[in-house]
Amino acid sequence: GENVEQHPSTLSVQEGDSAVIKCTYSDSASNYFPWYKQELGKGPQLIIDIRSNVGEKKDQRIAVTLNKTAKHFSLHITETQPEDSAVYFCAAKAGGFKTIFGAGTRLFVKA
Amino acid sequence: SAVISQKPSRDICQRGTSLTIQCQVDSQVTMMFWYRQQPGQSLTLIATANQGSEATYESGFVIDKFPISRPNLTFSTLTVSNMSPEDSSIYLCSVGAGTGVTGELFFGEGSRLTVL
Repeated sequence: GENVEQHPSTLSVQEGDSAVIKCTYSDSASNYFPWYKQELGKGPQLIIDIRSNVGEKKDQRIAVTLNKTAKHFSLHITETQPEDSAVYFCAAKAGGFKTIFGAGTRLFVKA
Repeated sequence: SAVISQKPSRDICQRGTSLTIQCQVDSQVTMMFWYRQQPGQSLTLIATANQGSEATYESGFVIDKFPISRPNLTFSTLTVSNMSPEDSSIYLCSVGAGTGVTGELFFGEGSRLTVL
């Protein structure tokens, strides 16, 4: 079955700097890659996603890149702000209804 | 989008007891998903609940321990039976935005269980 690995587990950046979180997946049939943000005491919420027919997608300060050959995808957050502090999960989905999540990255943005 | 309400939001339970978590969605959905999130960990799918049929459990999860009901298209319950401290987790209800391969998941705010 699918396995998603995520790095780093913890990331601390200064406000205004960029943050990058990387994930790899194992199932070459996976073709949907969402990223979720989980704030303290809340459920995860989708912030951006990418499908396998696209290499890059951007939404304001966040972007996601996908390398299907290497089975890598990454989340890039520019101009980080304290409210970006949260746990971020990458995920992968192949055919069917099951979404597999990475282990999560705890992002701290220092003011 | 979907708005998901879960009850209870948190509870402290005694070892050996059972607790039922309720999940209410503001729209009709075919599939509902129950996830477990152990402290500081990722989300692990427990089971998929379809209305009118038995839930489908993932490896490592069994119906006797986590019975699920799905009486209609907007509601589901998950029971954590005969609890032990290892069951202390956040339990999350989720629904999908679409069918097939793509589509985001919407999550409730979770039910945080502490088992003493």
